[in-house]
Amino acid sequence: QKEVEQDPGPLSVPEGAIVSLNCTYSNSAFQYFMWYRQYSRKGPELLMYTYSSGNKEDGRFTAQVDKSSKYISLFIRDSQPSDSATYLCASNYGQNFVFGPGTRLSVLP
Amino acid sequence: DSGVTQTPKHLITATGQRVTLRCSPRSGDLSVYWYQQSLDQGLQFLIQYYNGEERAKGNILERFSAQQFPDLHSELNLSSLELGDSALYFCASSPDGVGSPLHFGNGTRLTVT
Repeated sequence: QKEVEQDPGPLSVPEGAIVSLNCTYSNSAFQYFMWYRQYSRKGPELLMYTYSSGNKEDGRFTAQVDKSSKYISLFIRDSQPSDSATYLCASNYGQNFVFGPGTRLSVLP
Repeated sequence: DSGVTQTPKHLITATGQRVTLRCSPRSGDLSVYWYQQSLDQGLQFLIQYYNGEERAKGNILERFSAQQFPDLHSELNLSSLELGDSALYFCASSPDGVGSPLHFGNGTRLTVT
């Protein structure tokens, strides 16, 4: 079992839709949780970074962490074609970072 | 712009050759990580350095080596290259490598022919 699991998609939604991206993790030692956006042939870009359970909002993006269920989510409101990318969830404890395989999202105009 | 600089952007070389990839971390970041991403594959952790010292090793082949210099830039050396080494190689940095998130460069695309 991989430490961080993520549905690879692809996920296609119409412009303006609310997108829900999800990951599960297995290691209770994970302390910090991140979401990255990666455009084709570019480096992953940090979108959200959170430590505790609960919600963290930044513009159209909301990250949600449920440590009791070992479940992390990213919601994108009013999705735009420019949101089309691969989204990677990641967790870490100490200096060990573990990434999910990424979910490929396409937002159709 | 993440502030992490990687050079070169592209490298095309032949099997059996050796190449060096360079990374300059964000200003103030002491920790550098190297990752490999093959086509349609996830990020595979190779190695981490903190302030010049190797801190953690992942799935790095013996043909690969890295170092971090006193000015904190890092180099990843890949030798005896094989076709399967063709991939994107990313460098990421963080202030301390503990808790702080990683910031990635835009990678070096290596093609081995």
